[in-house]
Amino acid sequence: AQKVTQAQTEISVVEKEDVTLDCVYETRDTTYYLFWYKQPPSGELVFLIRRNSFDEQNEISGRYSWNFQKSTSSFNFTITASQVVDSAVYFCALGGSTLGRLYFGRGTQLTVWP
Amino acid sequence: DARVTQTPRHKVTEMGQEVTMRCQPILGHNTVFWYRQTMMQGLELLAYFRNRAPLDDSGMPKDRFSAEMPDATLATLKIQPSEPRDSAVYFCASGFRDSTYNEQFFGPGTRLTVL
Repeated sequence: AQKVTQAQTEISVVEKEDVTLDCVYETRDTTYYLFWYKQPPSGELVFLIRRNSFDEQNEISGRYSWNFQKSTSSFNFTITASQVVDSAVYFCALGGSTLGRLYFGRGTQLTVWP
Repeated sequence: DARVTQTPRHKVTEMGQEVTMRCQPILGHNTVFWYRQTMMQGLELLAYFRNRAPLDDSGMPKDRFSAEMPDATLATLKIQPSEPRDSAVYFCASGFRDSTYNEQFFGPGTRLTVL
């Protein structure tokens, strides 16, 4: 069975703090993809990153970084020096080896206070 | 800037009425998804199509929901009759499946309220 768990329902930080959003997944597939999406208050789903199961290199994009560890089935997302505009719900998702359905976690509501 | 478009953005209707939601996928994309987002269930897949053919509609209540792709530029999701428990945000997403994996691009969603 495919499953994504985001144990943190809500996180509040003050601007400029670093914050890490946790994601743990379950799958029996050997080839799979992991995603992070951002849902700001406006409601749309914004794609942030895709990572395949064979690439465990960490990735950094500006203030965002992702840590993928197959040994612990985790794909965590860190925002460095958070900003108010980072306030949103963040979803981790799991997909198969080809373009198909995504399995989403329940999301983490991040609030960044000025 | 290619985007998935959805209409209407908001819909308020009364129980028992028919609701039709429309989605225009990104031009050239061959795979279209319908997801529903609720507080109780989170984001869940209702159905998806590839090259206009339904591949998986296991998440869709068959008695009242139907999804179609009349052509490559239009996907529809209908609810008849609607019920208050159908109140949710319905997202359409599209992508292109070829030899490499491509992500799904989501539309802005249709917020449905059934009174």
